Amino acid sequence: QKEVEQNSGPLSVPEGAIASLNCTYSDRGSQSFFWYRQYSGKSPELIMFIYSNGDKEDGRFTAQLNKASQYVSLLIRDSQPSDSATYLCAVNMNERTGGFKTIFGAGTRLFVKA
Amino acid sequence: DAGVIQSPRHEVTEMGQEVTLRCKPISGHNSLFWYRQTMMRGLELLIYFNNNVPIDDSGMPEDRFSAKMPNASFSTLKIQPSEPRDSAVYFCASSLGEQPRTDTQYFGPGTRLTVL
Repeated sequence: QKEVEQNSGPLSVPEGAIASLNCTYSDRGSQSFFWYRQYSGKSPELIMFIYSNGDKEDGRFTAQLNKASQYVSLLIRDSQPSDSATYLCAVNMNERTGGFKTIFGAGTRLFVKA
Repeated sequence: DAGVIQSPRHEVTEMGQEVTLRCKPISGHNSLFWYRQTMMRGLELLIYFNNNVPIDDSGMPEDRFSAKMPNASFSTLKIQPSEPRDSAVYFCASSLGEQPRTDTQYFGPGTRLTVL
């Protein structure tokens, strides 16, 4: 089992709809969870992070975390064509050495149709 | 701040040649990461440094790859000899590296490497 798993997509939604992106992780001791957006030919950029169970909202974006089920999701409300990109889930996991490291999922491609 | 700076942005080389990629992290960031991204394998962590010390290099594919961070403001990733399968986009990222809960990585623009 991969440490961080995402559906590769593509996920296609009409403009104005809610896009729902999901991510599961294997390490129960994971500390925090990040969503990055990557446009084609560009570098990943942070959208938001979450580390407590429940929902966290930032504008049109809502991150949801369920540690018991080991999944984290990103909802994009009122999707716009400019949201079309690959969304990467990243998880900060503790290392045995006492530090931590970040593991990225493979990403989900999102297409928002005008 | 100018963000993470990488050079060159594009590199085309022939099989067997040495390739050196460069990265300048954001000032004040303690952690630096090298990633490789391909369509097939996604974003792979190659190595990361904390306070200039390599912490985890388990992602380095083989001995042909090496990375150094001689000081807090500069790192290199070297491939010698290069092979066509090394063709990918190589990203450098940096972060404060202090609090796992909020540690956000900032990525450079990447170096697109093509090995013929």
